[in-house]
Amino acid sequence: QKEVEQNSGPLSVPEGAIASLNCTYSDRGSQSFFWYRQYSGKSPELIMFIYSNGDKEDGRFTAQLNKASQYVSLLIRDSQPSDSATYLCSAPDSWGKFQFGAGTQVVVTP
Amino acid sequence: GAGVSQTPSNKVTEKGKYVELRCDPISGHTALYWYRQSLGQGPEFLIYFQGTGAADDSGLPNDRFFAVRPEGSVSTLKIQRTERGDSAVYLCASSRYAPGQESNEQFFGPGTRLTVL
Repeated sequence: QKEVEQNSGPLSVPEGAIASLNCTYSDRGSQSFFWYRQYSGKSPELIMFIYSNGDKEDGRFTAQLNKASQYVSLLIRDSQPSDSATYLCSAPDSWGKFQFGAGTQVVVTP
Repeated sequence: GAGVSQTPSNKVTEKGKYVELRCDPISGHTALYWYRQSLGQGPEFLIYFQGTGAADDSGLPNDRFFAVRPEGSVSTLKIQRTERGDSAVYLCASSRYAPGQESNEQFFGPGTRLTVL
């Protein structure tokens, strides 16, 4: 079992709709969680981080964390074609080693 | 500079050759990480430095891979006797603090695409 798991997609989302991305992690010692956006041929770009249970909102993005269920999600509201990318979930494990999921590809259709 | 920089952006080499990849982190960031990313996969952890020392090198695939950060800033990833399977994008990231602390978010450089022929 991988430390961080994501659905690979592609997740097809109509323009203007909400994209919902999910991530589960196996190490209960993980305390912080990160979402990165990666365009094809580019390096990952940090878009959200969350440390506490509950929701955290930043513009059109909302991160949700449930440590009891070992689950973290990312919502993208009012999806735009520029949101088409691969979204990576990441968390450092108990020893501080950052683990990444394989990423979920999002395709926003006009 | 404002962000993490990596050189070269592309490196093509022949099987068996030695290569060095350089990373210059964000000024003031104490932690530096190297990752390798293959197509369709997330970044794979290689090694993490806190200051000058390698805090965790458990991700290095074998003894052909070595990394240094002698002055706690710039880091070099060294690969000896390159193999075709080493072809990937090598990413460097830095963070202000160590992984166990808050404000430990990582910022990535543009990567070095290594191709071993």
